[in-house]
Amino acid sequence: DTTVKQNPRYKLARVGKPVNLICSQTMNHDTMYWYQKKPNQAPKLLLFYYDKILNREADTFEKFQSSRPNNSFCSLYIGSAGLEYSAMYLCASSREREGYAEQFFGPGTRLTVL
Amino acid sequence: GEQVEQLPSSLIVQEGASVLINCSYTDSASVYFPWYKQEPGKRLQFIIDIRSNMERKQNQRLTLLFDKKTKHLSLHITATQPGDSAIYFCSASMYTNAYKVIFGKGTHLHVLP
Repeated sequence: DTTVKQNPRYKLARVGKPVNLICSQTMNHDTMYWYQKKPNQAPKLLLFYYDKILNREADTFEKFQSSRPNNSFCSLYIGSAGLEYSAMYLCASSREREGYAEQFFGPGTRLTVL
Repeated sequence: GEQVEQLPSSLIVQEGASVLINCSYTDSASVYFPWYKQEPGKRLQFIIDIRSNMERKQNQRLTLLFDKKTKHLSLHITATQPGDSAIYFCSASMYTNAYKVIFGKGTHLHVLP
């Protein structure tokens, strides 16, 4: 199975409420990524896990949290959603222990904040 | 930080035509350049890549050229088909403690039958 799964596929959230998105892969990939994608914009890297090490981008450091309880699962957590968080959230994984490696993407979770 | 620019932002061509998508990046620390394609309603999918120690790579109808001096890449697609209609994303990747990837905004390609 070479697919990355994301749940839920669609999420409605109220301003100020928390949001938790889930990603899973069964390819034993060492790295998992989260991107935010808005229409007509580039996918924006939010954070990534290499094994158990979390790397968060400087400009989104305080806005997003993540956890990776095991190799297969990775979550993205928003503590207090704002209107600007409405976007598609893409999870990806790759096997980088062997060097350069392409990423496998999930279908995305469309988050709408009202 | 690294920036990746893609041109053009959109292309409409007749089936059978060849297309060229250009991509430039800013950070000379970038060493790996995967390209992805997103067909309507589908997930991003890897199509071709090149490393900074290479100048050219071909995969069937796709040819990727890389110029390290000018920090420029170009993706050439020959004999386009309606199934090639998609958004094509260029990306630049550098190694921190994993490969951090920065994407371009994408090129919308529409191939008319």
